[in-house]
Amino acid sequence: GQQVMQIPQYQHVQEGEDFTTYCNSSTTLSNIQWYKQRPGGHPVFLIQLVKSGEVKKQKRLTFQFGEAKKNSSLHITATQTTDVGTYFCAGYGTSGTYKYIFGTGTRLKVLA
Amino acid sequence: DTGVSQDPRHKITKRGQNVTFRCDPISEHNRLYWYRQTLGQGPEFLTYFQNEAQLEKSRLLSDRFSAERPKGSFSTLEIQRTEQGDSAMYLCASSLAPRPTGKSTDTQYFGPGTRLTVL
Repeated sequence: GQQVMQIPQYQHVQEGEDFTTYCNSSTTLSNIQWYKQRPGGHPVFLIQLVKSGEVKKQKRLTFQFGEAKKNSSLHITATQTTDVGTYFCAGYGTSGTYKYIFGTGTRLKVLA
Repeated sequence: DTGVSQDPRHKITKRGQNVTFRCDPISEHNRLYWYRQTLGQGPEFLTYFQNEAQLEKSRLLSDRFSAERPKGSFSTLEIQRTEQGDSAMYLCASSLAPRPTGKSTDTQYFGPGTRLTVL
């Protein structure tokens, strides 16, 4: 079945450093969504990418969807302590159903 | 608060008992999803509805799991004969299916979850 892996699993950075998480799917995705989950909280939607090679920015966050629509990345510039949490990618395949498969997540800790 | 509510927030039960969880989505949302999340893992897809139709169910689920969404509004997830391995956070999410035209996304709004502990 479809699998979505994320690397790294954990990342500790000093405040002000950059951070990147990578998402890789075993199959082609129709879209990719990114979510952030704070400790003890529920996933919160960040963004959706649909087009091959698409790049979107939200302030310090940059999201990219690969040309083959099988991988994606999230880059945070100059991390802040408010960026702490686990970042998940999620997407569904091209079979026509909306069965979202979530990635394994990258847990980010920001040291002040 | 996303507008998606789940009840109960916590459930402790003994192995072998049946449990039922409820999810109330955002009122105009036509899609409703159920996920299971264990510590350190991403949400695992269980099933989803479009209006009242259950369109997909994970093969990971055994016959002990069933979900309903009568009238396309709230949904219930029932687990029969619970096992210790069923202990997890059960998350519900709702979304508004994108129209063929327009720029809306299939944003999933998650509820706070129901934490199930099976003793």
